[in-house]
Amino acid sequence: NAGVTQTPKFRILKIGQSMTLQCTQDMNHNYMYWYRQDPGMGLKLIYYSVGAGITDKGEVPNGYNVSRSTTEDFPLRLELAAPSQTSVYFCASRGTGGPGNTIYFGEGSWLTVV
Amino acid sequence: KQEVTQIPAALSVPEGENLVLNCSFTDSAIYNLQWFRQDPGKGLTSLLLIQSSQREQTSGRLNASLDKSSGRSTLYIAASQPGDSATYLCAVTSGNKLTFGGGTRVLVKP
Repeated sequence: NAGVTQTPKFRILKIGQSMTLQCTQDMNHNYMYWYRQDPGMGLKLIYYSVGAGITDKGEVPNGYNVSRSTTEDFPLRLELAAPSQTSVYFCASRGTGGPGNTIYFGEGSWLTVV
Repeated sequence: KQEVTQIPAALSVPEGENLVLNCSFTDSAIYNLQWFRQDPGKGLTSLLLIQSSQREQTSGRLNASLDKSSGRSTLYIAASQPGDSATYLCAVTSGNKLTFGGGTRVLVKP
């Protein structure tokens, strides 16, 4: 059982480039989330999904896009990268009901925009 | 809008002392509250999950309490050790969203 898998772990982008952060979970969770964490700060919600085909904006969605074509996958797309998007990105998932509400995190993706 | 606050932002204690970490939230209509540990440069590790119907959860030296009416949760770590040094975050599930506090950075001095 792999849990939540994020790739890549590290990436350096040039200003204006685009890329996709991949997130896959194998726990059949309906809920999936993307957060960013700036140095010394808490986590801010970028986008979330309550199931395949359904996504919604979080606190800081500008500059990002997501899709949820399957239950397992929730990729995060960065368009026209800017230095302000330098951060650590975490993907998370959870199920529903009782202990199923436990949140599982990927190991993070460190992104630097130069 | 749910807001989650953790005070203090940083805490330093001598080894062996009990740790008390606080988490407060503004909207009491929550499904659950979860405590996490984050080591520098690492991801988040789940410590304890408290359902909204529960008052507390325990795991080893860790005990977390939940008081929905006052919008508070407290994480107790007994007999702290240097290996407990990390950032501790709480997260509240309300509606479809997970909202995190800013974390408390803990240093346990030998």
